[in-house]
Amino acid sequence: DTGVSQNPRHKITKRGQNVTFRCDPISEHNRLYWYRQTLGQGPEFLTYFQNEAQLEKSRLLSDRFSAERPKGSFSTLEIQRTEQGDSAMYLCASSLAPSGAYNEQFFGPGTRLTVL
Amino acid sequence: DAKTTQPNSMESNEEEPVHLPCNHSTISGTDYIHWYRQLPSQGPEYVIHGLTSNVNNRMASLAIAEDRKSSTLILHRATLRDAAVYYCILDSGGYQKVTFGIGTKLQVIP
Repeated sequence: DTGVSQNPRHKITKRGQNVTFRCDPISEHNRLYWYRQTLGQGPEFLTYFQNEAQLEKSRLLSDRFSAERPKGSFSTLEIQRTEQGDSAMYLCASSLAPSGAYNEQFFGPGTRLTVL
Repeated sequence: DAKTTQPNSMESNEEEPVHLPCNHSTISGTDYIHWYRQLPSQGPEYVIHGLTSNVNNRMASLAIAEDRKSSTLILHRATLRDAAVYYCILDSGGYQKVTFGIGTKLQVIP
């Protein structure tokens, strides 16, 4: 399977706990994106990596959220001290792009987080 | 970011053409128009994109108004598998940070 994979697919946690999600992009893709999607809404941009460098973060990404992409391969998104408002689908996407060129983003199936 | 406006929902009969409109009156000269769709319980998937000229691919056609303030995604023969939420989005930089709106939920009636 050469698509974008995300683990776990579902996560249920209690308020105040920390959670970590993993995204494995398509192997040669140099760009990786994280989005959050709540019910009935479109995906909202959270952050973006070019190789291992995190180049942009949305204001939605509070200080409880941190994302890493060590060695420019897989990425992790950690949420500390989860709140009920963090319940959402977390989507990862990757693309292969030289600077300034357009390339489609390939999305993973998402990780659904439920905070009780 | 330039915004897009789409109808919340549309219906189509199976095997008939579907025209999904999108307004983007504040589009800038370098913005590409992208369409993605999201099938139930899946991540979004790319459909088509364009800049100024109309575009065709195996999935759909994209018709772009001459002033670029609107565009239309055309599915030539809707199938039940085309039932999804369709997002019209504009990029806001070469790194393709995109802003998804609510999209248009397309229902295909057998």
